[in-house]
Amino acid sequence: LAKTTQPISMDSYEGQEVNITCSHNNIATNDYITWYQQFPSQGPRFIIQGYKTKVTNEVASLFIPADRKSSTLSLPRVSLSDTAVYYCLVGGVGYNNNDMRFGAGTRLTVKP
Amino acid sequence: DVKVTQSSRYLVKRTGEKVFLECVQDMDHENMFWYRQDPGLGLRLIYFSYDVKMKEKGDIPEGYSVSREKKERFSLILESASTNQTSMYLCASSSGTGNSGANVLTFGAGSRLTVL
Repeated sequence: LAKTTQPISMDSYEGQEVNITCSHNNIATNDYITWYQQFPSQGPRFIIQGYKTKVTNEVASLFIPADRKSSTLSLPRVSLSDTAVYYCLVGGVGYNNNDMRFGAGTRLTVKP
Repeated sequence: DVKVTQSSRYLVKRTGEKVFLECVQDMDHENMFWYRQDPGLGLRLIYFSYDVKMKEKGDIPEGYSVSREKKERFSLILESASTNQTSMYLCASSSGTGNSGANVLTFGAGSRLTVL
């Protein structure tokens, strides 16, 4: 079971780039890295997923080094509405209940 | 748009009552999950199901049971509600096949249960 470690909280200001790093030292060969975002009183929602190198979509980028023991979620030019809790999950292709366990997440606060 | 719908957004129940939390998904997903979320404890997995009539315990199944009679519906049951079950309950579903990557969870909006 790949355990993840993230910072408990981070602060940023509007317009800045925010990088949130997740450590997963015992990631398995077939594990993917998935990030979720959760606003208060809502369920988490999928942001981005990757296996290696870099993945980019319309909201974020995900950087994964060659050893895959960590990953960094990058949010470009954050706004107040990006204030949320961000979770990193590590798991493999196909179903495995161990993949669906969340850590404590990182609470990002964006200030004006 | 894909959806996971939880029947009740807010519930208030009394200690000892039997409570049903319903969850329906319209994505034909094989896997469904129930989590509870409490301040400082994050999301904790209660039960999950990977097929109709199948269920597996998560990390905190005590005091809960589940039912999955149809693929689209996954119910969480509190046989005798207690005050320590006051929490936000979140249902999620995912496809059983990985497609191009690992399973991605789609969550409902949550059900906030208060047990008095």
